[in-house]
Amino acid sequence: KNQVEQSPQSLIILEGKNCTLQCNYTVSPFSNLRWYKQDTGRGPVSLTIMTFSENTKSNGRYTATLDADTKQSSLHITASQLSDSASYICVVSEYNFNKFYFGSGTKLNVKP
Amino acid sequence: GAVVSQHPSWVICKSGTSVKIECRSLDFQATTMFWYRQFPKQSLMLMATSNEGSKATYEQGVEKDKFLINHASLTLSTLTVTSAHPEDSSFYICSARGTGGLINEQFFGPGTRLTVL
Repeated sequence: KNQVEQSPQSLIILEGKNCTLQCNYTVSPFSNLRWYKQDTGRGPVSLTIMTFSENTKSNGRYTATLDADTKQSSLHITASQLSDSASYICVVSEYNFNKFYFGSGTKLNVKP
Repeated sequence: GAVVSQHPSWVICKSGTSVKIECRSLDFQATTMFWYRQFPKQSLMLMATSNEGSKATYEQGVEKDKFLINHASLTLSTLTVTSAHPEDSSFYICSARGTGGLINEQFFGPGTRLTVL
């Protein structure tokens, strides 16, 4: 069964600190994995997309990693800011782009 | 590029009325659009997949006669919530999958907040 699991479910950190969010998946055959940021009351916005051959990709303070062998991905946020408070969603797409599988998200709260 | 808009951004209606939500891909063509529903503090739940020129495919448990989807063009899909009830109050989000080089991409709209009184 194709699934995407994220951890932790929620996370509270102090402003300026780093954090890492996890995403494990069983989707097969795999096409790509994307991390989205969703602010409250808004639609998700793409942060990074990773294909099978990519191990790491950065977008500013966001760095995503992918281990296609263990089917794990992480999103690392450095020097967190208050505006990073949001839900972060991991989405894995199936080969041939037939379907997208969503994780339940990690709710990040950055406090001053 | 690759912007998806939704209209309206929020709507309040009386129980029993119908509400139409539009989803537009502004600068690209989208043969496939997706409709999601999101309840407070929950993840997005896929309701249906809309393909241009054909009938939508609904997920299990989603009433197709209640949530009417029309994808009449490559840039517009509409979701009509018929005979809305308070339990239909939710955040509705659409996304569009591009064509050609964007077929691997899914772009989300900003969402529509529906409140049924």
